[in-house]
Amino acid sequence: AQSVTQLDSQVPVFEEAPVELRCNYSSSVSVYLFWYVQYPNQGLQLLLKYLSGSTLVKGINGFEAEFNKSQTSFHLRKPSVHISDTAEYFCAVSARGNKLVFGAGTILRVKS
Amino acid sequence: DAGVTQSPTHLIKTRGQHVTLRCSPISGHKSVSWYQQVLGQGPQFIFQYYEKEERGRGNFPDRFSARQFPNYSSELNVNALLLGDSALYLCASSLGLAGGEEQFFGPGTRLTVL
Repeated sequence: AQSVTQLDSQVPVFEEAPVELRCNYSSSVSVYLFWYVQYPNQGLQLLLKYLSGSTLVKGINGFEAEFNKSQTSFHLRKPSVHISDTAEYFCAVSARGNKLVFGAGTILRVKS
Repeated sequence: DAGVTQSPTHLIKTRGQHVTLRCSPISGHKSVSWYQQVLGQGPQFIFQYYEKEERGRGNFPDRFSARQFPNYSSELNVNALLLGDSALYLCASSLGLAGGEEQFFGPGTRLTVL
């Protein structure tokens, strides 16, 4: 079975500052990794995914994430955040098949 | 192209009642999955259907059931509602079941059980 731990429940940051949202996973088999964003009262939107190959993955809205197999981590980063990035972010894994196992989420609050 | 659609948007029920939630996948997608998102938590997998057959089930009681129709739309049914069933129910569709294949999520149905 797989599990996902998002290490921060809330991350406050000022506009134009960099941000890192942390994600660790546990699995006995190889996994695929995802970051989703959820704006208030909306469904989930895929930011980026890691399937194989380069460990640095670039996604939409200027986000990127780095897969670290030895540390079983997949942290999400953005060099300069905007007010519009305020949302909840979910890290997820899938193994065989595409059923997703999600972390508890990290609320990113961008302050002006 | 239309994304995943879900109905109704909001629903209020009382304990012991039954509820049916509906989902229409993106055109051409043959797989539908259901997730429950309780306030303050990440989504939890309930069911996955592909070509009208159940292909996965999460750790939910038998009060939860689902089906997929020939047009690939899907229904999630919950019987004997409990207060703890209050949540956002998300439907996701994908082309198939390949590992790592992206799932596209609908806006969800917000269920409140009183």
